Amino acid sequence: GQQLNQSPQSMFIQEGEDVSMNCTSSSIFNTWLWYKQDPGEGPVLLIALYKAGELTSNGRLTAQFGITRKDSFLNISASIPSDVGIYFCAGRVLAGGGADGLTFGKGTHLIIQP
Amino acid sequence: NAGVTQTPKFQVLKTGQSMTLQCAQDMNHNSMYWYRQDPGMGLRLIYYSASEGTTDKGEVPNGYNVSRLNKREFSLRLESAAPSQTSVYFCASRDPGNEQFFGPGTRLTVL
Repeated sequence: GQQLNQSPQSMFIQEGEDVSMNCTSSSIFNTWLWYKQDPGEGPVLLIALYKAGELTSNGRLTAQFGITRKDSFLNISASIPSDVGIYFCAGRVLAGGGADGLTFGKGTHLIIQP
Repeated sequence: NAGVTQTPKFQVLKTGQSMTLQCAQDMNHNSMYWYRQDPGMGLRLIYYSASEGTTDKGEVPNGYNVSRLNKREFSLRLESAAPSQTSVYFCASRDPGNEQFFGPGTRLTVL
């Protein structure tokens, strides 16, 4: 099946620093998503990307859908303590309204030192 | 709106026991999904239901069955639990035009 390679696996940063993480695949995905998961909770959607080359922001978060449709990155600017958590990339093969499930990366564990 | 609710929150089973994990959504979504999450891993799709009356296998369906009882409810059944099924199980739902919305999870331990 498809696999998403997400890196880095974990990040230890200082409050106020910028963060960058990415996801790559050997297969094409037509939708790229970024989720955040807090301990003991389900993933929460941060950003959705639907077009190759698309760059989308949500507050301090910015994500891009790679031109080849095989990669995506997420940047967080000026990190704050509540950014701590696990960030997952996810891809969907079918475009738009496709009901197929998501393929997830293994996650990036973000730890912020005050 | 409660969103996606899952019961139970925690469960401990002995090998060979059976149980059903329940999921319900109140957002009138057509599609529903079951994933499992193991330590250090992303979520993996077990089964999904594109619409009421249909179900399809995902990446890791072996050892599980599902029932789309109606538009609101999608249950996951373990007929004979095994230790390898110890995991956190997440249910999700979506409609075209929005993305998958996840429930809080069921933490299952099989001894």
